[in-house]
Order: sequence, then C-alpha cells, then structure tokens
Amino acid sequence: DARVTQTPRHKVTEMGQEVTMRCQPILGHNTVFWYRQTMMQGLELLAYFRNRAPLDDSGMPKDRFSAEMPDATLATLKIQPSEPRDSAVYFCASGTRDTNTEAFFGQGTRLTVV
Amino acid sequence: SQKIEQNSEALNIQEGKTATLTCNYTNYSPAYLQWYRQDPGRGPVFLLLIRENEKEKRKERLKVTFDTTLKQSLFHITASQPADSATYLCALEGTGFQKLVFGTGTRLLVSP
Repeated sequence: DARVTQTPRHKVTEMGQEVTMRCQPILGHNTVFWYRQTMMQGLELLAYFRNRAPLDDSGMPKDRFSAEMPDATLATLKIQPSEPRDSAVYFCASGTRDTNTEAFFGQGTRLTVV
Repeated sequence: SQKIEQNSEALNIQEGKTATLTCNYTNYSPAYLQWYRQDPGRGPVFLLLIRENEKEKRKERLKVTFDTTLKQSLFHITASQPADSATYLCALEGTGFQKLVFGTGTRLLVSP
C-alpha cells in the first residue's frame, strides 16, 4: 500500500532550535509539495519540487526555512532558528501527472515551538 | 491578489439530505479544480478533479460543478451520512500539475 511517510509525527522544541522534518514520497512520484496548516491560515503552500528541482518556494520564509530533495526518496524541510509562530502541522504531499494530478498527503508533522 | 474562498462556518445538515459546499476564487485561471476531504489529525484525501472545460463531474454520491465564468465550484454530497462529517477543501491547479493551492475548507456535520 503506497503512501507518503513523514517523520517525526510530533515534535516539541524550544525557540531557537533547529527543526528538520522528513518526507518519503511515493515511489515513482516526481512532484513533492510542502504545506503548513494552522487554524487561522488553513493549508498554505510553502514549496514544491518537480524531479527534485525546486519550482516555487515563494510561500516560505526565506530567512529561516529551507527545503531540499537530496534524492528522489527523501524531501526535507528545515527551520533554523525556530520560533513559536512556526507551530503548526506540516504536510508533505506527492504526485505525478500519471495519477491525474491527485496529490497524496502524508500524516503530517505536528510542530510545537515553546 | 489571488484568493480561494470557502465558507468558514460549519455546515450542519440532517442525514439523508444533500450537502452543498461552495468554492469561489479570484485572480486565478486554473486548469483543474480538485476537492479533498480531511478528517481530524489526518492529511487531506483526494475526492474529485474537474477540468476547466468540464461543467460537471460525478462519482457515486459526489457531484462537482465548475463555472469558470462565475469563478465558482459547487460540491454536492447526496444522501449524506454521518460518516461524511469532515472538512472539505477545494484546490486550484495550473497546467502541468503546477502549484496546487488550497482554500481554507468548510466543515460539514451530518446529524443522524
């Protein structure tokens, strides 16, 4: 049963610490999205990749956030330094045109910065 | 600026009735419009996709309409059941699976 895997599921960290969230997209998917979800803002697109190349990261605070795809099986989202306002659920999703552009979401990483 | 608007208030309906959810957008020219369901503590799950040249799409008890003139999509669940209670999100996409952007979602509550 193919699915997007995100780790960790939960993370509590102190303000100023570095946070790294990982995502394993579904094998064969060439598009990966990172989203952040809060009650106030809903699901915000932070960045997305096609064939491991970043296509758009305009939704991401550039000074503290970075997203990479070291290889086709791993996408990472880093926050350094973290701030309380970064507390949210972060979702990774993957897809490909071959699946009619449906995006498959992971379970999310719930981040709490104290 | 670009906006995707869904009713932020929860929609409460009785079991068996038809639920209708609305998605309005401005300053977009999407090639596709998608609807997702999200349950608490879970990621969104894809339900239906409709293309800009399609007026209506159906899947079992679900129906989606897409009016590019009004810049609006309607999402219908017929013969609703308590198990349909969830948050429903619409998403817009440009051609070539570009930049999938979501609305804020509408929570649906179906009472027995």
